[in-house]
Amino acid sequence: GENVEQHPSTLSVQEGDSAVIKCTYSDSASNYFPWYKQELGKRPQLIIDIRSNVGEKKDQRIAVTLNKTAKHFSLHITETQPEDSAVYFCAATNSGYALNFGKGTSLLVTP
Amino acid sequence: GAVVSQHPSRVICKSGTSVKIECRSLDFQATTMFWYRQFPKKSLMLMATSNEGSKATYEQGVEKDKFLINHASLTLSTLTVTSAHPEDSSFYICSAQGGGRRGRSSYEQYFGPGTRLTVT
Repeated sequence: GENVEQHPSTLSVQEGDSAVIKCTYSDSASNYFPWYKQELGKRPQLIIDIRSNVGEKKDQRIAVTLNKTAKHFSLHITETQPEDSAVYFCAATNSGYALNFGKGTSLLVTP
Repeated sequence: GAVVSQHPSRVICKSGTSVKIECRSLDFQATTMFWYRQFPKKSLMLMATSNEGSKATYEQGVEKDKFLINHASLTLSTLTVTSAHPEDSSFYICSAQGGGRRGRSSYEQYFGPGTRLTVT
């Protein structure tokens, strides 16, 4: 089955700096890679996703890159703000099957 | 966006009793629903995949007789924790996947708000 590794487990940045979270996956058949943000006690919220036919996708301060050959994908957050502080999960799946989640990255943005 | 509700949000029950958790897709038809369990400061662990009108597919290590899943319609799936024990205390979250509504990918999963189960 699919195995998703996520690094780092914790990340602390100063407000205004960029944050990068990296994930690798094992199943070459995976073709959908979403990123979720989860605040304490709340549901995971989809923040951005990418499919395997695209190498990069951007939405304002958030971008995701995908390297299919190396089987890794990354989340980039620019101009971080304190409200970006949360746990971020990457996931991988093949065409609508269940999501395989990474272990999460706890991001802290300090003012 | 797509809305998924979950009820109840919190429940406390006594050991040995059963608890039913409902997951509803409010504004779209969910072809598939997933049930996850999340421990504090941990990732989401898939328990089972539920398709409307068919038996749920359970992940390895998840007891299907203990965690009963029913997907009665395209908008409702239920998880019943039977004969609950303190070790079943956890945060249970469902997600629903629907087909390409409003131009959105059919791959997207939308999560319910979760149910905090405490077994005493």
